[in-house]
Order: sequence, then C-alpha cells, then structure tokens
Amino acid sequence: QQPVQSPQAVILREGEDAVINCSSSKALYSVHWYRQKHGEAPVFLMILLKGGEQKGHEKISASFNEKKQQSSLYLTASQLSYSGTYFCGTVYSGGSNYKLTFGKGTLLTVNP
Amino acid sequence: GAGVSQSPSNKVTEKGKDVELRCDPISGHTALYWYRQSLGQGLEFLIYFQGNSAPDKSGLPSDRFSAERTGGSVSTLTIQRTQQEDSAVYLCASSPSGGVDTQYFGPGTRLTVL
Repeated sequence: QQPVQSPQAVILREGEDAVINCSSSKALYSVHWYRQKHGEAPVFLMILLKGGEQKGHEKISASFNEKKQQSSLYLTASQLSYSGTYFCGTVYSGGSNYKLTFGKGTLLTVNP
Repeated sequence: GAGVSQSPSNKVTEKGKDVELRCDPISGHTALYWYRQSLGQGLEFLIYFQGNSAPDKSGLPSDRFSAERTGGSVSTLTIQRTQQEDSAVYLCASSPSGGVDTQYFGPGTRLTVL
C-alpha cells in the first residue's frame, strides 16, 4: 500500500512556511524524502530512520513519529527554488530495507 | 562526477514492439533500481540489483518486463510486446551500497506506446 501524502498541492509566497505530511498504514522502518522538478530526476532530501537517526540537508527538517507511522517535512522561509513535487518513500518494518514505496507526491509552488 | 545516465531520453514505439531502456549507474555504486512513474503517480518500484546477488524482481508488473545488469554496472530494462499502459517515465537509480541509502536518480526515459 502506498503511503498517503497531504496536502496534494500547496501554493506559497516566497518566505512562507509549509508542512508536507506522509502517513502509512503499516509500521515503518524509515522514511525518505525526494523533490522532483518538472522534467527532471528526483533529488534526495532526507532519510529518517526508526530510532531517530536522520541524514539529509541542513536547511530542511523533518520528523518521524514511529507510533503514528507518520513523517512530516518542514519547509521554512520558502524560496522559489523549493518549487517542485515532493515525494515520500517508505521502507516498511520487516520488509526489504531497500524497497521504497512512494506516495503520489505533493506539488509545491512558490510564487514571488 | 558523472551522475546516473539513461538512454534514450524519449522513446516512441508502436504497440506490440519490444523496447530496451539503458541505465548507466554512478561508478562504484553496487545497488541499482528501476522505477516506473506514470502521470500524476508516485514512483513504482520495479526491480533491484545488488552486487552479485539475485535481483529482486518482485515489482515487475508482468512477464513482458525483464532486466539485466551486466558486469555489475550497466543495466537494461526490456519490455516485450509493449502495450499502451506501459507508457510512462522509466527511472533508474543507483546507490553506493543499497539498503537504507541515498538513491541517485537518472533523468529517466519517457516511453510512449502508440
């Protein structure tokens, strides 16, 4: 089952903040976040692991609530370059640790 | 350094024809993945190669799809007897060691089946 992302789309003005959520119905081992600009390859943002370890960019923060099987990506003081589609990919506990199941994405548009 | 490259970037084919899509991973990366991305959808896992281990083919949608990885480097995804529902962007990714690791994606091949 795919994780569910919300919102599906969000429009911001430069400098505003946004939160993108990713929820799973299955227990999670890790959550991976990627950003994809139109016509380009997805680019890695962050990995959050069960137990609290994080790997990722300094300017992007995220949380992983293991009990709720949710992750949230926090984009603060948004810039025009933040525009794109954000995908979360989940690795399920007890499953193959390389197999990512991606959500449908959240389209973020940042306007001047 | 060079990233993941894929060829062709676009492929238009007729229903029933076979197609081959190529992926060159980042040098030294042992893990290679293929995904399919349909319009408005997330990335759908197709197949995973790790070193010399048997690939995980659990995501291949039908027996018309196959993939191989020669010499632990270049990979080819083959779709036989293409159908219109195969139209999508096929993305390849590699990672240094597989597992819970950053995946580096290529630009994809846009396949259109007429």
